[in-house]
Amino acid sequence: SQTIHQWPATLVQPVGSPLSLECTVEGTSNPNLYWYRQAAGRGLQLLFYSVGIGQISSEVPQNLSASRPQDRQFILSSKKLLLSDSGFYLCAWSVHRPNTEAFFGQGTRLTVV
Amino acid sequence: AQSVAQPEDQVNVAEGNPLTVKCTYSVSGNPYLFWYVQYPNRGLQFLLKYITGDNLVKGSYGFEAEFNKSQTSFHLKKPSALVSDSALYFCAAVRGGYSSASKIIFGSGTRLSIRP
Repeated sequence: SQTIHQWPATLVQPVGSPLSLECTVEGTSNPNLYWYRQAAGRGLQLLFYSVGIGQISSEVPQNLSASRPQDRQFILSSKKLLLSDSGFYLCAWSVHRPNTEAFFGQGTRLTVV
Repeated sequence: AQSVAQPEDQVNVAEGNPLTVKCTYSVSGNPYLFWYVQYPNRGLQFLLKYITGDNLVKGSYGFEAEFNKSQTSFHLKKPSALVSDSALYFCAAVRGGYSSASKIIFGSGTRLSIRP
């Protein structure tokens, strides 16, 4: 069966520090991968999505970047965190069929101080 | 622009009563429609989806949803609410026939609160 791992679960980082959040998927190959941010327990903002290795689409220009160095690995990064980067970050995957649901990781609570 | 709307930020229902969480969409073609649930500090969990066929779809935990093409709606329902149903619910759509990245369009979420 497929599983998605996202870590760390919580992170407190100072302003100006770098960020690296990692997401890996097991039990499937060539998935679509997504990074979402959720502010204050509300709506989801799509940050990046990837249809394959090295293929990243950015939805919102911002202080973050994403990379997909391996088929089932998706990394969210920042060189210098801002206070506004605080939030709940969710990784998700889906197969390449639009009529199938996405599967989400457990999320990372990032607090920038 | 493609969008999904959840007009209610919060829905309050007494335990045992029926519940409805509303969703309307503005997505071209024949979109695929989904409902997800999120418990505090957790990821989203899939509840149910509409692909084609019967307008009433059944999903996990006794939830069902009714697709209405003329009203472009996909409301989530449950005949008898439980306190454990209290959570944040998201409606989502994916444009039909889009075979590349299945870009998911989420609504803003509705917080469902069930009082004992």
